[in-house]
Amino acid sequence: QTVVTQEPSFSVSPGGTVTLTCGLSSGSVSTSFYPSWYQQTPGQTPRTLIYTTNTRSSGVPDRFSGSILGDKAALTITGAQADDESDYYCVLYMGSGIWVFGGGTRLTVL
Amino acid sequence: QLQLQESGPGLVKPSETLSLTCTVSGGSISSSRYFWGWVRQPPGKGLEWIGCIFYSGTTYYNPSLKSRVTFSVDTSRNQFSLRLSSVTAADTAVYFCARQIRTSAWYFDYWGQGTLVTVSS
Repeated sequence: QTVVTQEPSFSVSPGGTVTLTCGLSSGSVSTSFYPSWYQQTPGQTPRTLIYTTNTRSSGVPDRFSGSILGDKAALTITGAQADDESDYYCVLYMGSGIWVFGGGTRLTVL
Repeated sequence: QLQLQESGPGLVKPSETLSLTCTVSGGSISSSRYFWGWVRQPPGKGLEWIGCIFYSGTTYYNPSLKSRVTFSVDTSRNQFSLRLSSVTAADTAVYFCARQIRTSAWYFDYWGQGTLVTVSS
């Protein structure tokens, strides 16, 4: 079964830049997987940040950006703020109506 | 503004069937642009896609849960439902319903608030 991989945790200093990645246990992530990214604060509903690799959802600040870096999808936060401290999940569309979530990355801003 | 609201029992006994319904308001469930999906999150763990349903009744399931999951849709009530059979403690989770975009961009755009279902005797 396909596993979508993410860093379990990451830390960034306030004002700093961090790139979280989303890979596959076997193979490369490309735009054909329509990678999307979601932010979730514990106890809250996920919030859609990025879809189709690099399109920001309505209301999402432009310090969040998506891309493909090498063989992975990537979420970059530029100028991190304290309220960016959250869990971040990527999702890949595998085709044939099947979606797979990554395990999530817990981002700490300190 | 589209809203999704989960409803159903918060406590289910082991080996029984978990049943949840998602009511959609502010938009029609009968659109060719969307799937209507379920995602769950065990306490302290990550999100897991359970599957989704099209308004026509076509279903797609996570292969790891496929043998125990059944979805249905009621377009007259703008609702869709989840049934998960033979539950165990491992099925204890917050269950979210969500709208999934299915044409040219494949992602989740609206989420329900989630409902905690505990499996315990």
